[in-house]
Amino acid sequence: QKEVEQDPGPLSVPEGAIVSLNCTYSNSAFQYFMWYRQYSRKGPELLMYTYSSGNKEDGRFTAQVDKSSKYISLFIRDSQPSDSATYLCAMSDGNAGNMLTFGGGTRLMVKP
Amino acid sequence: DADVTQTPRNRITKTGKRIMLECSQTKGHDRMYWYRQDPGLGLRLIYYSFDVKDINKGEISDGYSVSRQAQAKFSLSLESAIPNQTALYFCATKDRRNTGELFFGEGSRLTVL
Repeated sequence: QKEVEQDPGPLSVPEGAIVSLNCTYSNSAFQYFMWYRQYSRKGPELLMYTYSSGNKEDGRFTAQVDKSSKYISLFIRDSQPSDSATYLCAMSDGNAGNMLTFGGGTRLMVKP
Repeated sequence: DADVTQTPRNRITKTGKRIMLECSQTKGHDRMYWYRQDPGLGLRLIYYSFDVKDINKGEISDGYSVSRQAQAKFSLSLESAIPNQTALYFCATKDRRNTGELFFGEGSRLTVL
């Protein structure tokens, strides 16, 4: 079993839809949770960064962490074609080195 | 210009050849990383370096070696390439904070025939 599980998709939605992307994990030591967005032929870039449990909102994006269930989510409101990308969750325990463990990524397609 | 630059962007080579992928950065970060990305497997850490004199193996270092020539330069070598090393390779940098953000290059696509 992988340490971080993420549905690979692809997930296809119409423009304007609410998108929910999810990851589950097994390591209870993880405290820092990130979502990276990766456009085709580009490197990943950080989209959202949260610590411990709770919600964090940034514009159309909301990151949610439920440590008791070992489950994190990224919600995208009013999705746009420009949101079409692969979304990677990543997490760490915050210790020295702070190595990130990545999920496999979910490919999202938002159709006009 | 990109903050993290990788060369070459694409390379096709044959089994048994030696390959070097290069990474340079202008962000002034101490920490540099090499990751490999395969479909469905996410990013897996090959090697990382916290400064010029500090090199560490990651999750999947077998068959790879690295060199940190300067604070800004970190190269990845495949001494004798094999087909299952066909993948997308990313260099990344980070500042000294344990919780700092990783900044990635645009990737080097390697195909080993």
